[in-house]
Amino acid sequence: SAVISQKPSRDICQRGTSLTIQCQVDSQVTMMFWYRQQPGQSLTLIATANQGSEATYESGFVIDKFPISRPNLTFSTLTVSNMSPEDSSIYLCSVEFAGALYEQYFGPGTRLTVT
Amino acid sequence: KQEVTQIPAALSVPEGENLVLNCSFTDSAIYNLQWFRQDPGKGLTSLLLIQSSQREQTSGRLNASLDKSSGRSTLYIAASQPGDSATYLCAVYTGANSKLTFGKGITLSVRP
Repeated sequence: SAVISQKPSRDICQRGTSLTIQCQVDSQVTMMFWYRQQPGQSLTLIATANQGSEATYESGFVIDKFPISRPNLTFSTLTVSNMSPEDSSIYLCSVEFAGALYEQYFGPGTRLTVT
Repeated sequence: KQEVTQIPAALSVPEGENLVLNCSFTDSAIYNLQWFRQDPGKGLTSLLLIQSSQREQTSGRLNASLDKSSGRSTLYIAASQPGDSATYLCAVYTGANSKLTFGKGITLSVRP
């Protein structure tokens, strides 16, 4: 398993601003993922972030709105840019260990409210 | 496109009852299925993972089964407790681009 931390745990932001969410893992992982959970909904994958390559975005998500960095094997950031109230969600990062039966472990999430 | 369905959306039971949560998926070509627990406003805790070659997995009072050919999984909770109150999500891993597809979850309330 893995210990995953996210910062901040929650934030309230004004529309038009940007927020960067950090995800830290206590061991090296190849694959990291960013998910969004809108109120009352399930999780939707935003992008896959592998170290040393550009993030791969899912349909409906673009790099200009959700830029992602993956500078090393234990850390990643997701920025939510030019925020609107529709971006109010819980944002979660997850990791997958190579050879670990494709099991994913999730961080505690960042609760974002945009006013 | 893989779709995961969990019905009902909410369930309320008295303490001590044994219960079954259902999950169905449309594409049987999966690598595994995971059950997660989510407390309000929190992240996900992995409960059980069943590989595609397995029929069931057990952890304490929890037992998850998988019938891949029919596209179904169940999570059995024995002797439910108020502390089991949470949202339970199932997710299937299809392997394509390492994608985990989630259901919308079942919100369980266990009444003392």
